[in-house]
Amino acid sequence: DGGITQSPKYLFRKEGQNVTLSCEQNLNHDAMYWYRQDPGQGLRLIYYSQIVNDFQKGDIAEGYSVSREKKESFPLTVTSAQKNPTAFYLCASSPKTGGEIFNEQYFGPGTRLTVT
Amino acid sequence: GIQVEQSPPDLILQEGANSTLRCNFSDSVNNLQWFHQNPWGQLINLFYIPSGTKQNGRLSATTVATERYSLLYISSSQTTDSGVYFCAVDTRNSGNTPLVFGKGTRLSVIA
Repeated sequence: DGGITQSPKYLFRKEGQNVTLSCEQNLNHDAMYWYRQDPGQGLRLIYYSQIVNDFQKGDIAEGYSVSREKKESFPLTVTSAQKNPTAFYLCASSPKTGGEIFNEQYFGPGTRLTVT
Repeated sequence: GIQVEQSPPDLILQEGANSTLRCNFSDSVNNLQWFHQNPWGQLINLFYIPSGTKQNGRLSATTVATERYSLLYISSSQTTDSGVYFCAVDTRNSGNTPLVFGKGTRLSVIA
């Protein structure tokens, strides 16, 4: 089946620890994204990547890091510098046609991170 | 950056009723998508509709780009329609933010 997978579904960490969230897609999409959702809110962009080995900061990149070593994978690391890491994290991807990133986005099931 | 406002913020419907959800945006857009977030958090694509009208079963959407709004129509609502509906847009004029989301409309359909 084609799609986007995120693991794990639930993640618990102690304050001060870095944690990496996985995102894999087999849709052959060029662009991938990480969003954060807080209760009762919309989604906010953390990072996105248009191509392997390249990525751009979104509106709330502080305290996060990413890598894009493979087209199908875009892991997100939540570092100890992120002041309020507890949230729902959603990964998305989109095809890239005509040199444009702005295409229909598809989302994974998300990871709920709780930091205590 | 671009502002996206959705209304109403909350909506309660009796099963079988129809509803209209609205999305207003403050700048011209190249993309507009409607999503349904189910109770488990999964975002489901409903429509990719930067302009015009589309229909999919009981759902339809219309975007009037020149007037900067989009409408999502739900007819004969069912309890499985419950969840949060998000409108999201992108504009190349808002820096490096590919999609900007509204805060959503929370829909509850009761039997």
